[in-house]
Amino acid sequence: EVQLVESGGGLVQPGGSLRLSCAASTSTFSNFWMHWVRQAPGEGLVWVSRISSDGSSTIYADSVKGRFTISRDNAKNTLYLQMKSLRADDTAVYYCARGMGPFIAVWGQGTLVSVSS
Amino acid sequence: DIQMTQSPSSLSASVGDRVTITCRASQDITNFLAWFQQKPGKAPKSLIYGASNLQPGVPSKFSGSGSGTEFTLTISSLQPEDFATYYCQQYDSYPLTFGQGTRLEIK
Repeated sequence: EVQLVESGGGLVQPGGSLRLSCAASTSTFSNFWMHWVRQAPGEGLVWVSRISSDGSSTIYADSVKGRFTISRDNAKNTLYLQMKSLRADDTAVYYCARGMGPFIAVWGQGTLVSVSS
Repeated sequence: DIQMTQSPSSLSASVGDRVTITCRASQDITNFLAWFQQKPGKAPKSLIYGASNLQPGVPSKFSGSGSGTEFTLTISSLQPEDFATYYCQQYDSYPLTFGQGTRLEIK
């Protein structure tokens, strides 16, 4: 089964930027839509963004629109999330997830982003 | 946005019990409903899609039903490894939205 490994999380100051990566262990990465979902400490799951299999279509939650950019490099089997103007309420574990059609089928292990001064 | 509401928010049960979790959507989502299991400190795991279809490798003790606005997840013969938090999610329209979660605890 495909494995998804996120990286790039860490501590960043408010207003700062961070880029998350998600490496997929499969050459069929380019066939699937991909998502980012986040979970604040002690809270529930919140969908962040989705990108189509070829990268031509993206969509975002209102809370991150204009600040976050989802992208992918199918040649490298890697998904990205560029995050700018980070706020304290962006603090969360960020999961990448592989879609199967319109639904989420496989999750990565997550990477923690902490926004604090 | 479509709001998803789970009940109960928490549930205590014993090993061997059968439990049911309900998820209600604020509008008709046909059967575009998924269920996930999450254990403390771990990533979620996909259980069910299309309201009632098990993901590959998910044991048949898990079952889902419903359509429209009301859905259920049933877990039969609870085992220690089943005690976790369960989330429903609609994928009828964006933004995708999750229920608040149901924490299943050992009695």
